[in-house]
Amino acid sequence: GAGVSQSPSNKVTEKGKDVELRCDPISGHTALYWYRQSLGQGLEFLIYFQGNSAPDKSGLPSDRFSAERTGGSVSTLTIQRTQQEDSAVYLCASSLLGIGGQETQYFGPGTRLLVL
Amino acid sequence: DAKTTQPNSMESNEEEPVHLPCNHSTISGTDYIHWYRQLPSQGPEYVIHGLTSNVNNRMASLAIAEDRKSSTLILHRATLRDAAVYYCILRDVQGIQGAQKLVFGQGTRLTINP
Repeated sequence: GAGVSQSPSNKVTEKGKDVELRCDPISGHTALYWYRQSLGQGLEFLIYFQGNSAPDKSGLPSDRFSAERTGGSVSTLTIQRTQQEDSAVYLCASSLLGIGGQETQYFGPGTRLLVL
Repeated sequence: DAKTTQPNSMESNEEEPVHLPCNHSTISGTDYIHWYRQLPSQGPEYVIHGLTSNVNNRMASLAIAEDRKSSTLILHRATLRDAAVYYCILRDVQGIQGAQKLVFGQGTRLTINP
């Protein structure tokens, strides 16, 4: 079946502009996660949605970052007033229930963001 | 999530077995041991996970020490496509909402020589 898809695959923007990154999770998955991977850095958690629960926003680095998940499916990560340090690969993942310690997270291919 | 320690890099030859170690001396009784890998220019992918007993699947085997303070991911016959960064991650089986995120360390970069 279809996996997690993300768009765009690459995005180049100018400092100060806003960007929106989209994630389509696997159909039927109730949990959705955003991570980012900066050049030479490890993967860091940003935000987690699970069903109708309040999202876990503990990983968002600043108030310029926000995310929403409409209808329990597609999610959009928005970065306002982009800075050069926001350049990274933004990865989305989904899992079936988002509970317990055994669930597999399925990752998309990522969006490569470059802020000039 | 408890901390894990892995070697920064390892190298092996094609068609030979590879043993990737992970130390997790502060593991709790409710932590599952998960392994993910990230191939070049791709998102991470699940490899295997276990709690106490050794586990096998089509991709790899996971050997867990009796005291659970360490584990080893075993690739039985490495191929060039197995060249990736391998991450060992602990996840709380109680699965409270705050524990759902995966906490990635630096992982082990595996190089496979033809």
